[in-house]
Amino acid sequence: AQSVTQLDSQVPVFEEAPVELRCNYSSSVSVYLFWYVQYPNQGLQLLLKYLSGSTLVESINGFEAEFNKSQTSFHLRKPSVHISDTAEYFCAVSDTAGNQFYFGTGTSLTVIP
Amino acid sequence: KAGVTQTPRYLIKTRGQQVTLSCSPISGHRSVSWYQQTPGQGLQFLFEYFSETQRNKGNFPGRFSGRQFSNSRSEMNVSTLELGDSALYLCASTYGTYRTDTQYFGPGTRLTVL
Repeated sequence: AQSVTQLDSQVPVFEEAPVELRCNYSSSVSVYLFWYVQYPNQGLQLLLKYLSGSTLVESINGFEAEFNKSQTSFHLRKPSVHISDTAEYFCAVSDTAGNQFYFGTGTSLTVIP
Repeated sequence: KAGVTQTPRYLIKTRGQQVTLSCSPISGHRSVSWYQQTPGQGLQFLFEYFSETQRNKGNFPGRFSGRQFSNSRSEMNVSTLELGDSALYLCASTYGTYRTDTQYFGPGTRLTVL
């Protein structure tokens, strides 16, 4: 069985500071990994995803995540956050052969002016 | 393109009743997935429909069921409602498979069971 763990439920950070949102998964098979974001009063939307190839994936708004197979992690990072990054971030995983899609419980990122 | 729409946006029901939620995917998308979102459990996968067939199912009791029509619109039904069914129900559409394609989520239906 698979599971996704987001270690921090809330992360406050000052504007222009770096941030890392942690995500670990458990799976015995190959996986696809995703980060989704939910801005206040908006629906969930894809931020970035890892399917294969380069283990470092980037989004258009400056976030990046690195797939680390040995540590079964897919942490999300941004070197300098903005007020507009305040949102709920969800890590998710699906395996290449299974039939379900698993989300973590979410990390609430609050950027402080 | 219009986004994913869900109706109704809010519902209040009592225990024992049944409820039907509707989801209209983005035009051209063939797959619709349903999720239950609660504060304690987060987002949990219910099931996925593709071309009118249920392709995958999560770990929910048989009271939760769904279907998909030829125009890709999907409905989800919950029978014999329990208090624990109170949640935000989200649907997501993808062109192909939800395993790798981007899922586009609707705004959700907030169900309250009294």
